Amino acid sequence: GAGVSQSPSNKVTEKGKDVELRCDPISGHTALYWYRQSLGQGLEFLIYFQGNSAPDKSGLPSDRFSAERTGGSVSTLTIQRTQQEDSAVYLCASSLVGGTGYNEQFFGPGTRLTVL
Amino acid sequence: QQQVKQSPQSLIVQKGGISIINCAYENTAFDYFPWYQQFPGKGPALLIAIRPDVSEKKEGRFTISFNKSAKQFSLHIMDSQPGDSATYFCAAKGSGGSQGNLIFGKGTKLSVKP
Repeated sequence: GAGVSQSPSNKVTEKGKDVELRCDPISGHTALYWYRQSLGQGLEFLIYFQGNSAPDKSGLPSDRFSAERTGGSVSTLTIQRTQQEDSAVYLCASSLVGGTGYNEQFFGPGTRLTVL
Repeated sequence: QQQVKQSPQSLIVQKGGISIINCAYENTAFDYFPWYQQFPGKGPALLIAIRPDVSEKKEGRFTISFNKSAKQFSLHIMDSQPGDSATYFCAAKGSGGSQGNLIFGKGTKLSVKP
């Protein structure tokens, strides 16, 4: 079956512009995660959606970052007024369930964001 | 505050050798420890995972060793192959509250020379 898909695969934008990154999770997966991977760094947690519960936004680095998940499926990560330090690969993952379970997180290929 | 520390940052091993990557954690509430493998241009993929009720888990050439008292765990790749060349991330996840996300180490870039 289809895995996690993300679009666009690459995005180049100018400093100060807004960008939207899209994630299509695996069908039936109730949990969705966004991570950020900067060069030479590990994956940094950004936000987590579980079903219809309020999202866990504890990893968002500033109020310029926000995310939505519509209909319990597709998610959009929005970065407003982009800065050069926002340049990174943004990874989306989904799992069958989240929370305290041990369900595997399946990652998409990521969106490489470059802010000029 | 880095809750999962991974070493080394990079590793070069000859084909057929053993690759060893180490991780240490601080939070005793962590109770799930996966290792992810990432190839260039791809997202990470789960390689093997362990829970702290066992000290070792083996899947093919990949073994996790877990030391709960030392709060350390390691990945051993036996008979390393050039196709194993990738970046490896250890991670940890807690059991309490609503935390669903993984806490990742900074990664180890493994190169296996033919």
